[in-house]
Amino acid sequence: ETGVTQSPTHLIKTRGQQVTLRCSSQSGHNTVSWYQQALGQGPQFIFQYYREEENGRGNFPPRFSGLQFPNYSSELNVNALELDDSALYLCASSQPGTEETQYFGPGTRLLVL
Amino acid sequence: AQSVTQLGSHVSVSEGALVLLRCNYSSSVPPYLFWYVQYPNQGLQLLLKYTSAATLVKGINGFEAEFKKSETSFHLTKPSAHMSDAAEYFCAATKGGSNYKLTFGKGTLLTVNP
Repeated sequence: ETGVTQSPTHLIKTRGQQVTLRCSSQSGHNTVSWYQQALGQGPQFIFQYYREEENGRGNFPPRFSGLQFPNYSSELNVNALELDDSALYLCASSQPGTEETQYFGPGTRLLVL
Repeated sequence: AQSVTQLGSHVSVSEGALVLLRCNYSSSVPPYLFWYVQYPNQGLQLLLKYTSAATLVKGINGFEAEFKKSETSFHLTKPSAHMSDAAEYFCAATKGGSNYKLTFGKGTLLTVNP
């Protein structure tokens, strides 16, 4: 059984650009969540998807958007990048019946210059 | 709103000593509680979880945590620290309901001295 994978591992963008981060959920997992972890902080919840629908969102502006696909893989899109968007972006998946237990991927480190 | 507080941003112990990392949650309804470990430049690895089945929870790598409702605490312990335990540890909680967003503490960096 493969775990949660994310791509790319690192990314450098400039302010104002757009970025797409990708996540492949663990096999059998139909819920995916995205978190932002700034340096020296705990992860902050961005949003969660269940069966391709957003079912919860944290305190992030609309320029943060996401998608979940029928195979339960997921994307996080960020438009109009700001310097403060520099962070580690973590994807987590969970399986039916134990949605509270989330398994994390290795993350994508985004640097905005 | 639910919150998670980790007392001590940095804990330093000697190899072989007891590890105690503190976590308190604020919630009128006991949530699901978790401890995750993060090694440098990596994602989060689940150590253990409390889901109301038992108040003393055993996890991987010899760690365990005890849920105390009266103290709203979920402290993480390990009887004997190993050098490989050096990492950042995060306590997290979720109440479930419409979604299962995790609320994290700010983390505790554990240093293990030889």
